Amino acid sequence: EDQVTQSPEALRLQEGESSSLNCSYTVSGLRGLFWYRQDPGKGPEFLFTLYSAGEEKEKERLKATLTKKESFLHITAPKPEDSATYLCAVQAVRGAQKLVFGQGTRLTINP
Amino acid sequence: SAVISQKPSRDICQRGTSLTIQCQVDSQVTMMFWYRQQPGQSLTLIATANQGSEATYESGFVIDKFPISRPNLTFSTLTVSNMSPEDSSIYLCSVEDLSDTQYFGPGTRLTVL
Repeated sequence: EDQVTQSPEALRLQEGESSSLNCSYTVSGLRGLFWYRQDPGKGPEFLFTLYSAGEEKEKERLKATLTKKESFLHITAPKPEDSATYLCAVQAVRGAQKLVFGQGTRLTINP
Repeated sequence: SAVISQKPSRDICQRGTSLTIQCQVDSQVTMMFWYRQQPGQSLTLIATANQGSEATYESGFVIDKFPISRPNLTFSTLTVSNMSPEDSSIYLCSVEDLSDTQYFGPGTRLTVL
């Protein structure tokens, strides 16, 4: 069964304090790994898709990386507006477009 | 990316009643999905809404409880039937574009008393 585990569950940082969020996964043939951001009361907002080990994607203060077992979302010099829950999801080759989500990491950036 | 809207945005319902949630997309899409996000939990796929045929349900979800319609390539509905407090969740629709990326609607927050 495909599984996604995210850590930590919650992370509190000071503005400007860089850190990383972890997404460990087991999947029978990875089609893609997705990162989303979810603000309270809203639907998930797409950030990145990673397809193969070694791939990296960047967007503003965020950089996502992928290995064969895990993905990291690196946040550099975060700002209070980066506060949100970050969700990781995998899509298996034979999963018929189904996304399997982790529990998310609730990130708070204090000014 | 496609613009997705859902109605209603939230509702409070009595036990035993049913609620139909609408999902509208501003462009034609092949794949539409319905997810549930229970309080404090992550997203779980309920079913894939297939245009012109019956929806494909995930394990643990059945058509009698969550009937789905997909009359065309821009619209779908999810009905939550015979509701109980355990059905209190956020219900989200998503669509997949040609790059295999899923985009989500704003969600419908359902509270069952």
